[in-house]
Order: sequence, then structure tokens, then C-alpha cells
Amino acid sequence: KNQVEQSPQSLIILEGKNCTLQCNYTVSPFSNLRWYKQDTGRGPVSLTIMTFSENTKSNGRYTATLDADTKQSSLHITASQLSDSASYICVVSDRGSTLGRLYFGRGTQLTVWP
Amino acid sequence: EADIYQTPRYLVIGTGKKITLECSQTMGHDKMYWYQQDPGMELHLIHYSYGVNSTEKGDLSSESTVSRIRTEHFPLTLESARPSHTSQYLCASEDRISYEQYFGPGTRLTVT
Repeated sequence: KNQVEQSPQSLIILEGKNCTLQCNYTVSPFSNLRWYKQDTGRGPVSLTIMTFSENTKSNGRYTATLDADTKQSSLHITASQLSDSASYICVVSDRGSTLGRLYFGRGTQLTVWP
Repeated sequence: EADIYQTPRYLVIGTGKKITLECSQTMGHDKMYWYQQDPGMELHLIHYSYGVNSTEKGDLSSESTVSRIRTEHFPLTLESARPSHTSQYLCASEDRISYEQYFGPGTRLTVT
């Protein structure tokens, strides 16, 4: 069964600290992996997209890694800010159809305290 | 800022009513999606579309329908709303080259 598991479920850190969020998946065949940020009551916003051949990608203070062999990804946030408080969602796309089906994790709820 | 729009943003209706949630995008994307999301939970795919006159059911589609008559427009219809339909509904479109998926602001539906 194609699944995406994220950990931790929730995380609280102090402003200025770094943190790393984890994503493990069993989706096969693999097309790409995405990380989204979703503020409360809003739609998700894309942070990074990585295909099979990419093992790291950065977007400002966000750096995502991908190990396609172990089917693991991480999202590292550097020098956290209060505005980083949000849910971070890992999404994996397969090659099983022309459309490329998306599989969503439940997200990690990050809270940044001043 | 993504050019994808949803109306209404909030809706409270009674059980049994027929409603249509609107979604439009001006980016010319062929792929469009409807998702349902309860608070603190993952997104569930309701319907998706490859392009005009193409629609497919997702995981939670049995009580809703969609149409895709124009590229930019992808409305979702609930024929008879029930309290179990209370949720947030998110529409998205996807760039087929970059795989970037752009989400609308969502419609928060409450069925009383």
C-alpha cells in the first residue's frame, strides 16, 4: 500500500533554533517528492519539489533532502522564525498513471515560540 | 501569489441543499484537483481532471460531482449536503512541466 508517514506529529521550538522534519514513504513507482507549508485556514504552498535524481534542494532557510534508496526525505529549517509556525506536509507522486497520483502525509505541526 | 481562486470562502447551509463550490485558475494548467481536509488531518483527493472534458474520481468522491467544460474552471457540486460534508475544500492546479501545484484559499463548508 502506498503510504507517506511523517514525524514528529508536532514540534515546538524556540525562535532562532533549527529543526528537521522527517518523511518516510512506500510509494512506488516514484516520480517526485514535495514539501508544502500550510498556514492555518489556508491552502498549502510549495516549498520544494525533488525528482529521483535530486538528493538535496534549498529554498531560502528550507533545505530538503531525498534518499530514494531508503525512501526517506527530510526538511531542515534554519534559524526559525515565528512565521514558520505552520503544518509541513510531505507529498509523494507516483508514476502509476498518466496523471501521477499524489499521496499526502498527515503533516508535522511546527510551533515556533519567541 | 498563485492565480487560483475559490468561492465562496465560507458557507453555512442546511442539510439536503444542493451546493456548488467554484474554482478557477488563470495559469492555463490542464491538471486540476479537489481535496477535502478536516482540521489537523491530511488532504484527501475527491476529484481530479487531466483537462477539458476529462474528470476522474479520487478517494472520497462518491457524494459529489465535478465538471470541466473550460480549462480555467473546475466546479464541485454536492447534490444533497449532509453534516458529514462539513470540512474545508481545497482546489489546486498543477504545472505539468515543473510539477508545481498551486492551491486556492479553500472553502470552509458547514452543513447544519
